Amino acid sequence: QTQLQESGPGLVKPSETLSVDCHVSGDSIGSTSYYWGWVRQPPGQGLEWIGSFYYNGRTYFNPSLKSRVTISKDTSTNQFSLKLASVTAADTAIYYCARQPTYDFWGGAGFDSWGQGTLVTVSS
Amino acid sequence: QSGLTQPPSASGTPGQGVTISCSGTSSNLERNYVYWYQQLPGAAPQLLIQRNSQRPSGVPDRFSASKSGTSASLDIRGLRSDDEATYFCAAWDDSLNSRVFGGGTKLTVL
Repeated sequence: QTQLQESGPGLVKPSETLSVDCHVSGDSIGSTSYYWGWVRQPPGQGLEWIGSFYYNGRTYFNPSLKSRVTISKDTSTNQFSLKLASVTAADTAIYYCARQPTYDFWGGAGFDSWGQGTLVTVSS
Repeated sequence: QSGLTQPPSASGTPGQGVTISCSGTSSNLERNYVYWYQQLPGAAPQLLIQRNSQRPSGVPDRFSASKSGTSASLDIRGLRSDDEATYFCAAWDDSLNSRVFGGGTKLTVL
C-alpha cells in the first residue's frame, strides 16, 4: 500500500521560500503508472492544485502559481519536493502531496492517494 | 481563481438520503469528468467518486454521483454519523488549464 508523508518547516517568514518534502513508500516515483503532485488547503477553506510531475521529470503547474513554484524529485530516496518562492500570508495552508494515476492525469482531477498534510504558516 | 460552486452546508438525519450539488461551466464540468472527495475532520481528502460516477474500490454503494451539462451531484443514501465530513467536487478546467475544486460542502448528520 502506497504511503505519502510530508515534512515541512512549520513557519516561514514573508518573502522567503517555502520548502516541503514528500517521502513515498510502497511505490516508486519512477513508475510510469502515476503522476505525483501537490495540493494545498488554507485553514478552513477549499483545495488548490499547485503542480505535478511525471517520472521523466516533466512538470506541470497551476498557471496562477507557476511563476513561484518549483517541483523536484530524488528517485534514489523516493522523495519529491515543493518550493514556493516569495511567500505571503495568503500562502498559509496545509500542503498535501498526492498521487494521480497516469490514465487520469490529462483532463482529470482524481488523486487516489494522499499524505496526511503539513501545515505551513507564513508569518514574521 | 474561479472554481466550482458548492453549497457551504448540508444536513440530514441518520438513515435518510442527502444530495450535494456542484455547479460549473462549459470549460470544466461540461467537457470533463467530475470527481468527488470526502474529507473527514482533521484528515486528508479521500477520493470518493472518479470519472463522474465510478466508485474506487472500498467506497460503499451508498455513495453515488451523476453529471449533466455544467452541473453534478453526489448522493448519499442511508446516512450514518461517520458520513459527517466536508465533500469537495473537482474537475479539469480547459480555460484555466488547471485542476479546479469546489469550495466544499460540510455535511452534518443530525
